[in-house]
Amino acid sequence: AQTVTQSQPEMSVQEAETVTLSCTYDTSESDYYLFWYKQPPSRQMILVIRQEAYKQQNATENRFSVNFQKAAKSFSLKISDSQLGDAAMYFCAYYGGVADMRFGAGTRLTVKP
Amino acid sequence: DTEVTQTPKHLVMGMTNKKSLKCEQHMGHRAMYWYKQKAKKPPELMFVYSYEKLSINESVPSRFSPECPNSSLLNLHLHALQPEDSALYLCASSHPHGLAGTYNEQFFGPGTRLTVL
Repeated sequence: AQTVTQSQPEMSVQEAETVTLSCTYDTSESDYYLFWYKQPPSRQMILVIRQEAYKQQNATENRFSVNFQKAAKSFSLKISDSQLGDAAMYFCAYYGGVADMRFGAGTRLTVKP
Repeated sequence: DTEVTQTPKHLVMGMTNKKSLKCEQHMGHRAMYWYKQKAKKPPELMFVYSYEKLSINESVPSRFSPECPNSSLLNLHLHALQPEDSALYLCASSHPHGLAGTYNEQFFGPGTRLTVL
């Protein structure tokens, strides 16, 4: 079974600085998607960024970017110029098909003013 | 409309009650999902509907009964629940896998926080 591992249960960053959240996954497939979702306390889970496995170029969305290393099965999220509103639980997710959506355990990000 | 709505927001029920959770989306998605999420844990997949047909049932107890009346609606019927079933129940929707020209990210609703007494 495909597994997703987030090795950092908690991370902390100073406002305006940069932080990187780690994610590794295991799969034997060549075609899949990877996502980072953000879930603020008591609020809705929203998509931060997605990466198609067949694309070599790393995805970026404003202050959010990923470092996708397909051979190493690594998919880290970099948040630049961190803001107080970035504080949340971040889940890395692997999607291999309707029957195969896996989440990592999550990383709780704290942003210090 | 890029929203998934869920009702009710909160639900408290006894172990002998029957209740239903509702989910609705108008994004034209033909895949819909129910997840259970315990505090500080990732969502756990319960059911998947694809083109209004149940395609995945992740060994969920029969006291949870899903229903997909049409392509926009998803229900979760609850009966004889246990206290350990207390959790946040999330609905999500997406385009079906392999649909050309689409991405497969799931859009989540805000959830129903269920407490079983």
